[in-house]
Amino acid sequence: KAGVTQTPRYLIKTRGQQVTLSCSPISGHRSVSWYQQTPGQGLQFLFEYFSETQRNKGNFPGRFSGRQFSNSRSEMNVSTLELGDSALYLCASSRDWGNEQFFGPGTRLTVL
Amino acid sequence: DQQVKQNSPSLSVQEGRISILNCDYTNSMFDYFLWYKKYPAEGPTFLISISSIKDKNEDGRFTVFLNKSAKHLSLHIVPSQPGDSAVYFCAARKNSGNTPLVFGKGTRLSVIA
Repeated sequence: KAGVTQTPRYLIKTRGQQVTLSCSPISGHRSVSWYQQTPGQGLQFLFEYFSETQRNKGNFPGRFSGRQFSNSRSEMNVSTLELGDSALYLCASSRDWGNEQFFGPGTRLTVL
Repeated sequence: DQQVKQNSPSLSVQEGRISILNCDYTNSMFDYFLWYKKYPAEGPTFLISISSIKDKNEDGRFTVFLNKSAKHLSLHIVPSQPGDSAVYFCAARKNSGNTPLVFGKGTRLSVIA
């Protein structure tokens, strides 16, 4: 069974640009969550989607947005990038809330 | 306000000895707790969990202890192996209402051969 895949794995952008990251969940998983990991801050919850609906949202500015498609694939978008957005962005999928989350390898975003 | 705290950023243990990783939480509504392990260049992987109705859960070399009155949990790894070297994250949530997991900042464990 294929795991959670994230593309791209690495990305370099400059301040002010926007970026879109993609996540393909495990087949049959309908819940997709996104996290930001920065050094010394652990995993910070961004948002969770279930059946194309945002079900939960973390404490991040509106520059961070996401969506989920009918095949459960999800994208997150960050507009007007800032240096502090440099981080590892992790996607996790599960069958539903309360089930075990499986993480992808992450997308390493560097903002210059 | 950090609701899940892992106060030790790093820990070194000799191979074969016990590793004890600690985690404290402040939200008394949390009733389900998990530990994840993360290797470099990989996403976190689920290790073990415990519900607030228990005070101990064991899976092979890994045991999680929960002290609800102290709002404290710990992960014991016995015996520690070099392959256990990774970053360990503690996570917690309320077991209802579709609430998201809240993670600690992680503890880097190094098991020395």
